[in-house]
Amino acid sequence: DAGVTQSPTHLIKTRGQQVTLRCSPKSGHDTVSWYQQALGQGPQFIFQYYEEEERQRGNFPDRFSGHQFPNYSSELNVNALLLGDSALYLCASSFGRGVEQYFGPGTRLTVT
Amino acid sequence: AQSVAQPEDQVNVAEGNPLTVKCTYSVSGNPYLFWYVQYPNRGLQFLLKYITGDNLVKGSYGFEAEFNKSQTSFHLKKPSALVSDSALYFCAGFTGGGNKLTFGTGTQLKVEL
Repeated sequence: DAGVTQSPTHLIKTRGQQVTLRCSPKSGHDTVSWYQQALGQGPQFIFQYYEEEERQRGNFPDRFSGHQFPNYSSELNVNALLLGDSALYLCASSFGRGVEQYFGPGTRLTVT
Repeated sequence: AQSVAQPEDQVNVAEGNPLTVKCTYSVSGNPYLFWYVQYPNRGLQFLLKYITGDNLVKGSYGFEAEFNKSQTSFHLKKPSALVSDSALYFCAGFTGGGNKLTFGTGTQLKVEL
């Protein structure tokens, strides 16, 4: 049973560029949440997708957007990258409003 | 507003000794509380959760946590620490109505021989 997978593992981008990160949820899960973990910080909630719609959103600017596909996989898009966007981006999946979230290994984004 | 606090940036303990990693919470309503562990360059691994019921929750790898409503605390404990327990530990929580997790800032646990 595959857990949560994320791609790519690492990514280096330049300021002003756009990036897309991908996440496949654990088998049987239909809800995907995205978190940003800056160096030395706890993860911060970005948004959550369920039934292909954004269900909840954290305190992140509109440069951060997402999408969920019919197979429940999800993408996180960040436009106009800033140096401060450098972080580990974590995807978590759950079933419905299930309390237990399973995290993927993350994508390390470096903006130069 | 809800928040989770981990007052210690680092905890050092000798192998074989008991360990405690502290967490306090401030949430409206009935809290759902979690502990996760993160090894270097890895994602978060679930250790245990408190939803309701028994205040002492048992989790993975011999860890347990005690929910204390009067002190608004959810401390992580283990009777006998192992060197392999050395990692970054996060306390997290949310209240009913949405499972948006709010995390603490993390506590680095170092277990020494």
